[in-house]
Amino acid sequence: KQEVTQIPAALSVPEGENLVLNCSFTDSAIYNLQWFRQDPGKGLTSLLLIQSSQREQTSGRLNASLDKSSGRSTLYIAASQPGDSATYLCAGTQGGSEKLVFGKGTKLTVNP
Amino acid sequence: EADIYQTPRYLVIGTGKKITLECSQTMGHDKMYWYQQDPGMELHLIHYSYGVNSTEKGDLSSESTVSRIRTEHFPLTLESARPSHTSQYLCASSQFGVARGYTFGSGTRLTVV
Repeated sequence: KQEVTQIPAALSVPEGENLVLNCSFTDSAIYNLQWFRQDPGKGLTSLLLIQSSQREQTSGRLNASLDKSSGRSTLYIAASQPGDSATYLCAGTQGGSEKLVFGKGTKLTVNP
Repeated sequence: EADIYQTPRYLVIGTGKKITLECSQTMGHDKMYWYQQDPGMELHLIHYSYGVNSTEKGDLSSESTVSRIRTEHFPLTLESARPSHTSQYLCASSQFGVARGYTFGSGTRLTVV
């Protein structure tokens, strides 16, 4: 059974810092990987999708990469802002299954 | 502008009541999903559908049921609500053959008293 671990569970940084969030899968055969943002009590907002043929995606200050050999993904946030404060979730599908499996998330707090 | 809508946003209801959580999407997606999320915990898949008249149970056992009579609509029903059903329920959709990933609704926060 696929399990997803996100490290750290929580992170507090001053505004302007660059930071990295980590995600690892027990089964490295990841087909698609998606990073989401969740604000308290809200739904999920998709940030980046890495498709099966890709290794990296960038959107603005966000960059996500996937190492399929190890089943590890990182989300890099540049020049963090207080508005980035949220819980960040990574999730992946495996070949033959359309179901996303989620980690517990990293709760990020960016202090002004 | 939301492409997937969930109602109600919040619901407080007494034990034993029947409830239906609504989920609709305007993207024409084939696949729809229901996830359950307890506070501070990961999302768990409880139901999914790959098209009209297709429904399957997910990885987490749930007493709820779902139906998919129309492509755009995927309601979840609890016949008799209990306090153990208190949780957040998130609906999502995606499309076969188009790797745009999942789109999630805003969720329904259910409290059973």
